[in-house]
Amino acid sequence: DAMVIQNPRYQVTQFGKPVTLSCSQTLNHNVMYWYQQKSSQAPKLLFHYYDKDFNNEADTPDNFQSRRPNTSFCFLDIRSPGLGDAAMYLCATSRVRAYQETQYFGPGTRLLVL
Amino acid sequence: AQKITQTQPGMFVQEKEAVTLDCTYDTSDQSYGLFWYKQPSSGEMIFLIYQGSYDEQNATEGRYSLNFQKARKSANLVISASQLGDSAMYFCAMRVFSNDYKLSFGAGTTVTVRA
Repeated sequence: DAMVIQNPRYQVTQFGKPVTLSCSQTLNHNVMYWYQQKSSQAPKLLFHYYDKDFNNEADTPDNFQSRRPNTSFCFLDIRSPGLGDAAMYLCATSRVRAYQETQYFGPGTRLLVL
Repeated sequence: AQKITQTQPGMFVQEKEAVTLDCTYDTSDQSYGLFWYKQPSSGEMIFLIYQGSYDEQNATEGRYSLNFQKARKSANLVISASQLGDSAMYFCAMRVFSNDYKLSFGAGTTVTVRA
């Protein structure tokens, strides 16, 4: 089945130690999104790629970076994680950017910062 | 600006009964898409149902139906014959051109199904 895959499902890192989360998709979608979700809150969009075009949200901290080396893969890099970065990180894809297009989410990576 | 409002933070429902989750939206765009997602405690965001602004009929997907009242800007989700596995957080969301087609989420409603 076509899907969105995230690895790892759980990630423990130390304060200030760089960490990379990965997302892959077999849907061949053009758009890939990264969200941060804290407990009992709605997901918050960090940035997205439309093909190779990177779109950062205005309030995303510089500590968060992303790479999309090809259509299938997208990475979230947290350069110096703080305690406040502990959250669920969700990757999502969409065929194109249009109002009727569904975003499909991966299972998420729970990040714990010690 | 666009906004999604879910006024019910939490709800309890008896197994096999129906439950309605409220969602109202605000946008000046004429074209928009409305989505409902389910998020169980495992964390995965599962797409349930979609309603387009030009759709004249209410969307249905199995036990899920969307009660779309365009004039009232309302898009309530109805879950029929609730099951224990329906216990989760439910998010209403919208995509519009004026927001670059990003998903705008409501605050979510937690549903707990009782046996």
